[in-house]
Amino acid sequence: GENVEQHPSTLSVQEGDSAVIKCTYSDSASNYFPWYKQELGKRPQLIIDIRSNVGEKKDQRIAVTLNKTAKHFSLHITETQPEDSAVYFCAARIATGGFKTIFGAGTRLFVKA
Amino acid sequence: DSGVTQTPKHLITATGQRVTLRCSPRSGDLSVYWYQQSLDQGLQFLIQYYNGEERAKGNILERFSAQQFPDLHSELNLSSLELGDSALYFCASSLPKGQGGGNEQFFGPGTRLTVL
Repeated sequence: GENVEQHPSTLSVQEGDSAVIKCTYSDSASNYFPWYKQELGKRPQLIIDIRSNVGEKKDQRIAVTLNKTAKHFSLHITETQPEDSAVYFCAARIATGGFKTIFGAGTRLFVKA
Repeated sequence: DSGVTQTPKHLITATGQRVTLRCSPRSGDLSVYWYQQSLDQGLQFLIQYYNGEERAKGNILERFSAQQFPDLHSELNLSSLELGDSALYFCASSLPKGQGGGNEQFFGPGTRLTVL
């Protein structure tokens, strides 16, 4: 079935260090991979996304890589700051006539000052 | 503010009851998506509507139903409520693909449903 696995579930880093979150998807029909940041009690907000025909994308301190063959994609945050602390979700979208987006279980990132 | 509105913000009800959650998409967005987020869990895709028609379905229970009206607002109806239905319900909207959209979904602030 359609599934997205996300690791780790919790990640604690020192301010200034890098953070890496990894996801694996199951449905090879997935063609779009967004990453969302969600602060406590608030709405998910898109921070970066990548389409299936691209291997890597960078936006300032955030980068995402995609390995279609292995069905892996990862989020890299460099020079972490305390305000990066939040829950991060990866997702994979399957185009089925409509759009079905399957989310990972989330990674709670703590950035210690 | 994403431009997507949801009402009510909070809803407390009892088991066995029925509730309706409402979502207004951003101006110009034709697609509306509904998601359920239980405590400390990820988002579960429920259903997508595009310009009034159902387009994709996820793990939506038979007790739940949705519709999108001609003015493009959407409603999610939850009936025979159980304790386990307590969750945050988000809707999101996106632009039609032909207008440069189809990818990014803009989320509303959510409706927190508590079933006692």
